[in-house]
Amino acid sequence: KNQVEQSPQSLIILEGKNCTLQCNYTVSPFSNLRWYKQDTGRGPVSLTIMTFSENTKSNGRYTATLDADTKQSSLHITASQLSDSASYICVVSPVTGGGNKLTFGTGTQLKVEL
Amino acid sequence: KAGVTQTPRYLIKTRGQQVTLSCSPISGHRSVSWYQQTPGQGLQFLFEYFSETQRNKGNFPGRFSGRQFSNSRSEMNVSTLELGDSALYLCASSLRQGDSGNTIYFGEGSWLTVV
Repeated sequence: KNQVEQSPQSLIILEGKNCTLQCNYTVSPFSNLRWYKQDTGRGPVSLTIMTFSENTKSNGRYTATLDADTKQSSLHITASQLSDSASYICVVSPVTGGGNKLTFGTGTQLKVEL
Repeated sequence: KAGVTQTPRYLIKTRGQQVTLSCSPISGHRSVSWYQQTPGQGLQFLFEYFSETQRNKGNFPGRFSGRQFSNSRSEMNVSTLELGDSALYLCASSLRQGDSGNTIYFGEGSWLTVV
């Protein structure tokens, strides 16, 4: 069983609408949780980084939340644009000593339509 | 400031051959890590190098190896290629090791097809 599960697997929304992507993890303890955006055929691009003690982090229209008690994180996208169409990946970093041995989620494929 | 540069971008190899992929990190970054991305398994950690030393290793067979040079540039090698090695290989760099919360920057990847 994957230690980082994301839902939904795919999502289609209309341009201008908001959406929320979910991430449940079992990696424990962990150092930080990251959200990445990956366009088809490109490398992932960092959106947010949160330590285990942070509850929320924003980056423009992207807002990530973290509940360490329930081991859940969400990524909220506001006023979606066509360019938001991509895969969104939740990533967990282990505690000190684990370096960049990241554990990746399965990703949510988002498509924004007119 | 240039991003993470990976070469080659695309390559096709035959089963049994070996391949070497190259990665130039962002200037000043000392940590370089490698990942494999396939449709079935998603993104998986291969290994990480910091100051020319392998710091962490993922669950991949010994056919996968890497090294880092004094200028932080890194290479990974896959020997005796198998069809299942076909994947996008991503290199990432960061100032320090990832558990410090610093941003990890990914390259565009090297697409490897094994036939």
